[in-house]
Amino acid sequence: KQEVTQIPAALSVPEGENLVLNCSFTDSAIYNLQWFRQDPGKGLTSLLLIQSSQREQTSGRLNASLDKSSGRSTLYIAASQPGDSATYLCAAPTGGGNKLTFGTGTQLKVEL
Amino acid sequence: DAGVIQSPRHEVTEMGQEVTLRCKPISGHDYLFWYRQTMMRGLELLIYFNNNVPIDDSGMPEDRFSAKMPNASFSTLKIQPSEPRDSAVYFCASTQRAADTEAFFGQGTRLTVV
Repeated sequence: KQEVTQIPAALSVPEGENLVLNCSFTDSAIYNLQWFRQDPGKGLTSLLLIQSSQREQTSGRLNASLDKSSGRSTLYIAASQPGDSATYLCAAPTGGGNKLTFGTGTQLKVEL
Repeated sequence: DAGVIQSPRHEVTEMGQEVTLRCKPISGHDYLFWYRQTMMRGLELLIYFNNNVPIDDSGMPEDRFSAKMPNASFSTLKIQPSEPRDSAVYFCASTQRAADTEAFFGQGTRLTVV
């Protein structure tokens, strides 16, 4: 059974700081991992989908890495902005790969 | 495409009443997922469909919950009878293929059972 853990649960940083969000998963037999963003009262928005054949995936100021052997993924946010404030969730495939198991998320606050 | 569309956005109902949540997936997506999100348990998968066929309903908490997908563009999640512990945000998501493709979520239905 896949279990996904995210640390820290909450993070507050000043604007402009670079930061790293962590995601750990127990079943390393995955072929990809997704990072999502959730704003209060909204649905989830997919940010990055990183395949197991990739080490990194980048979109703008976001960079996700995946290390299957250690069961870890990180989401790096460069030059953080107040608009980055949201909850970030990672999700790993489970059940033969047809469904996702989500972490509990990291609630990020970027302050002016 | 307008994305995944869910209705209603908010639902307040009395305990014992039937509740029906609706979802329109993105056209051309073969998979549809129903999730429930609570503070205590996070995001949980309830059931998913492939080409309108229910594949895995192991996450459905009780027989009070049922889901249907009569065609490729519409799905419902029904709770009958509803209970206060069913209060949560229910999300619908669709993917073009299975979990190896990007998942698109609706805005969710916030259900409150009083």
